[in-house]
Amino acid sequence: GAVVSQHPSWVICKSGTSVKIECRSLDFQATTMFWYRQFPKQSLMLMATSNEGSKATYEQGVEKDKFLINHASLTLSTLTVTSAHPEDSSFYICSALSSGQFGTDTQYFGPGTRLTVL
Amino acid sequence: GEDVEQSLFLSVREGDSSVINCTYTDSSSTYLYWYKQEPGAGLQLLTYIFSNMDMKQDQRLTVLLNKKDKHLSLRIADTQTGDSAIYFCAEAHGATNKLIFGTGTLLAVQP
Repeated sequence: GAVVSQHPSWVICKSGTSVKIECRSLDFQATTMFWYRQFPKQSLMLMATSNEGSKATYEQGVEKDKFLINHASLTLSTLTVTSAHPEDSSFYICSALSSGQFGTDTQYFGPGTRLTVL
Repeated sequence: GEDVEQSLFLSVREGDSSVINCTYTDSSSTYLYWYKQEPGAGLQLLTYIFSNMDMKQDQRLTVLLNKKDKHLSLRIADTQTGDSAIYFCAEAHGATNKLIFGTGTLLAVQP
């Protein structure tokens, strides 16, 4: 149980285009999902908290107009990188919050999406 | 601000024990987690410990928490080549469920 998927696994796009990444909780409902970015050989940095039915909460320094988050259902959150540029190239990972098998609210992570902007 | 530090690299021989260390600064953490990340993949939750516990054992994994020193460790017994990965500790805050990740430790297991 507590499986989270992401789509696509990887994407290559031209500078200036927009890219949408989906995060799905497959066997549980998640009111809250999180989006992280990970640069090579670095740790995960939280970008935003996605709440079903309400606006996302962005971390300091993250442009909400550039990274659009939509959490329209209890199993799906999307991250759209608008007008992507090479510096947006990164590994984007989502997580979904669940009570899960550990008995406490725990984040279960998706496999990540590798974005390369040319 | 919150800061979670780990040593960058650990190399062990297959069959030995591995100990990965983590220090944090926020004493209000409710839970502390250990995640494993293999190359190009997402994070796999290994284990967690509640902040009022000192130790937790789960098969080959032992977590030790020294709350006074804000020090967390993960011991992997009988380390295997399949354990080679990056290990992240993370602290959680009950109110927001946000995770603050450590810098990650690359564990290399030599056959």
